[in-house]
Amino acid sequence: DVVMTQTPLSLSVTPGQPASISCRSSQSLLHSDGKTYLYWYLQKPGQSPQLLIYEVSSRFSGVPDRFSGSGSGTDFTLKISRVEAEDVGVYYCMQGIHLPVTFGGGTKVEIK
Amino acid sequence: QVQLVQSGAEVKKPGASVKVSCEASGYTFASYGITWVRQAPGQGLEWMGWISAYNGDTNYAQKLQGRVTLTTDTSTNTAYMELRSLRSDDTAVYYCARESFDLWGRGTLVTVSS
Repeated sequence: DVVMTQTPLSLSVTPGQPASISCRSSQSLLHSDGKTYLYWYLQKPGQSPQLLIYEVSSRFSGVPDRFSGSGSGTDFTLKISRVEAEDVGVYYCMQGIHLPVTFGGGTKVEIK
Repeated sequence: QVQLVQSGAEVKKPGASVKVSCEASGYTFASYGITWVRQAPGQGLEWMGWISAYNGDTNYAQKLQGRVTLTTDTSTNTAYMELRSLRSDDTAVYYCARESFDLWGRGTLVTVSS
């Protein structure tokens, strides 16, 4: 199975400051169709995961532009340019190219 | 309204089976597969499997192979996840999600306890 390694495990961020989460996969996520199937989700407390970013860097509908994704191959990053109180929760990366689909262990973001 | 509505919480004894439903609305059900993901208390997300709502093709997580069955009913736009021979470590919130992972149900808590 593809192992997805997220760092850090947790982040405490002052509102208005940036935050960055790293995700590394044990295999390349580049498909022969040219797309890279790396996704980012936010799971707010008590809620279902919600899609933020798909295919490395495409923001899902309604996701604020302070969220951005980057990376290639096996190394990926989610950045929040200015953290807001509503951004608290656990962030997960996920690969969707190799079965079984696998998730990172999660990064908990809290507000200072 | 585009949504996935899951059935309510369940409490089961070890060795029993559970069947969770996931009713889709607001989109063409057969155009997307349904993925099932579970989350044990305080833990991360675990992919369980996928089913095509078009033709019923399935893929299951190897660790659950033989205990889980995914089905769909296109007449009611509903997907089902059945898990058999339940153990205490199957206690989790079970989510259905559209295969594009852009739409998730609210989750169904399944508690396995004697």
